Amino acid sequence: AQSVTQLGSHVSVSEGALVLLRCNYSSSVPPYLFWYVQYPNQGLQLLLKYTSAATLVKGINGFEAEFKKSETSFHLTKPSAHMSDAAEYFCAVRNSGTYKYIFGTGTRLKVLA
Amino acid sequence: GAGVSQSPRYKVAKRGQDVALRCDPISGHVSLFWYQQALGQGPEFLTYFQNEAQLDKSGLPSDRFFAERPEGSVSTLKIQRTQQEDSAVYLCASSLEGGLNTGELFFGEGSRLTVL
Repeated sequence: AQSVTQLGSHVSVSEGALVLLRCNYSSSVPPYLFWYVQYPNQGLQLLLKYTSAATLVKGINGFEAEFKKSETSFHLTKPSAHMSDAAEYFCAVRNSGTYKYIFGTGTRLKVLA
Repeated sequence: GAGVSQSPRYKVAKRGQDVALRCDPISGHVSLFWYQQALGQGPEFLTYFQNEAQLDKSGLPSDRFFAERPEGSVSTLKIQRTQQEDSAVYLCASSLEGGLNTGELFFGEGSRLTVL
């Protein structure tokens, strides 16, 4: 069965430091991959998505993610964390031919001043 | 409003009561999803509509859960004879296109259900 694993339910970084949030998927074929962000008391918002075009995907707010088929990974990065990046981040996958988006359990990012 | 609207935002129900949760998607959006998010977990798929057709209901946990979208716009998720394990945030999301597109999902803020 298709699944998504996000390593680290909580990640803390200092302001200005690199942000790295990990996501691994299990799928027999490369799926469509997404990162969503949820700010407190708001709905989930799309950060970026991979749909079999370029393997390095750039999203909003300076985030990017790289699809690595050999590692079945789609890690989210940002060179320099900002206080406003504090939120919960969800990785999601969807196989072609299905409607179902499968979400990981989320990683809560804390940015320290 | 321009976004996905869900009501009520908070619902407290006694065990055994029926509840109805409403979702107003973005106008013109073809696809509509319901997800259940338990505390500390990611959203879990419940069901998918393309216009008024319910194309996938494989995630509904039991026959106590029922969803409809009769006119292809507003959707209602109904839970009968609520149980404590139904306590969760219920998320609605819509997408402009139908079919197997990979368009952006727009989420509402969710309806938090607490069953006592």
